[in-house]
Amino acid sequence: LAKTTQPISMDSYEGQEVNITCSHNNIATNDYITWYQQFPSQGPRFIIQGYKTKVTNEVASLFIPADRKSSTLSLPRVSLSDTAVYYCLVGDSGAGSYQLTFGKGTKLSVIP
Amino acid sequence: NAGVTQTPKFRVLKTGQSMTLLCAQDMNHEYMYWYRQDPGMGLRLIHYSVGEGTTAKGEVPDGYNVSRLKKQNFLLGLESAAPSQTSVYFCASSYVYSRGGNQPQHFGDGTRLSIL
Repeated sequence: LAKTTQPISMDSYEGQEVNITCSHNNIATNDYITWYQQFPSQGPRFIIQGYKTKVTNEVASLFIPADRKSSTLSLPRVSLSDTAVYYCLVGDSGAGSYQLTFGKGTKLSVIP
Repeated sequence: NAGVTQTPKFRVLKTGQSMTLLCAQDMNHEYMYWYRQDPGMGLRLIHYSVGEGTTAKGEVPDGYNVSRLKKQNFLLGLESAAPSQTSVYFCASSYVYSRGGNQPQHFGDGTRLSIL
């Protein structure tokens, strides 16, 4: 199965912008790229989704280059409450059937 | 509107015992999923369902069975529990998008299962 690749962990100070990049070389033509946030003892929570170029909502931006083989989640001015694990999710075209592949996640630690 | 509800929240089993995890959603979603989450492994898809009466295998289906008899419920069964199945299990659901591909999923808060 094709996998997504993210940094295992990142540290940031409060108020800084944080960019987390996910690599997904075997993304299918019709697949969207979706990011989730997970706090301890909770299920993942949807943050943002995009297909190409740039998408922005009230909590984040998502940048996707033309070849769609990677994506970058941007969190503006992070706070302590943004400390969580962030997952990149894409469909997997490599197995011949539709499979959902979560990355292993990036643990973001926001430092006061 | 409860979203996705998982039952039970915690359970301890002995090796060889069987049990069923229940997932219920009240959002009229077509798709439902079962994942397991282990330390350092992220979330891995066990089985999923694209509609009532249909199920399909995910990345790690061995040792599990599922059923989707009603649209709002998705059951995950362990027929003979093994210590390797100790994990946190998450259920999720989503709409069907006409363009295909993946869709935002709504997750429950998980079931912590320990098998001794």
